[in-house]
Amino acid sequence: GNSVTQMEGPVTLSEEAFLTINCTYTATGYPSLFWYVQYPGEGLQLLLKATKADDKGSNKGFEATYRKETTSFHLEKGSVQVSDSAVYFCALSDLVNTGNQFYFGTGTSLTVIP
Amino acid sequence: DSGVTQTPKHLITATGQRVTLRCSPRSGDLSVYWYQQSLDQGLQFLIQYYNGEERAKGNILERFSAQQFPDLHSELNLSSLELGDSALYFCASSVGDSLSYEQYFGPGTRLTVT
Repeated sequence: GNSVTQMEGPVTLSEEAFLTINCTYTATGYPSLFWYVQYPGEGLQLLLKATKADDKGSNKGFEATYRKETTSFHLEKGSVQVSDSAVYFCALSDLVNTGNQFYFGTGTSLTVIP
Repeated sequence: DSGVTQTPKHLITATGQRVTLRCSPRSGDLSVYWYQQSLDQGLQFLIQYYNGEERAKGNILERFSAQQFPDLHSELNLSSLELGDSALYFCASSVGDSLSYEQYFGPGTRLTVT
């Protein structure tokens, strides 16, 4: 079945460090892939998405490329800021025989220290 | 502010009871999704409605049911509550039914079953 596996946290980085959060997926169809961010006490917000192989999603300095050959969608940012501290979720949406399905990774907590 | 509202914000109830969670989608959005976020199971997709009709089902228990009304607001009914149902319940909405549409999440309802 479909699933999303993402890097365990928590991750602690110094400001301006490079960030990578790994995400791999299994899917039976042609999924769309997403990264969502959850700030403390809030709901999830879409950070970026990619709907087909080789698409690159980007937003606020974050990037992720949909790699079908490695079934991955790793999140990267060249220089993190304290305000990036949050929980990041990799997600997948796919059409299966029972209809649309949505799968989320377990979340990776990021803390950026000044 | 995502434009999705959820009430109540917090709910404390006893085992065996029944509760109703309410969600109002963003203006113009036709799809509503319900998710359960718990520490042990992460974020789980429960069910999707589109323009009043059930569109997809995820890991929703038989004790749980949902509906979407003509004004597009949705309610999630949880009955015969168990301690393990304690979680944060999110509602999300999107403009259409496509898997690639961005979902906008509400702030959640925190349910505590004692």
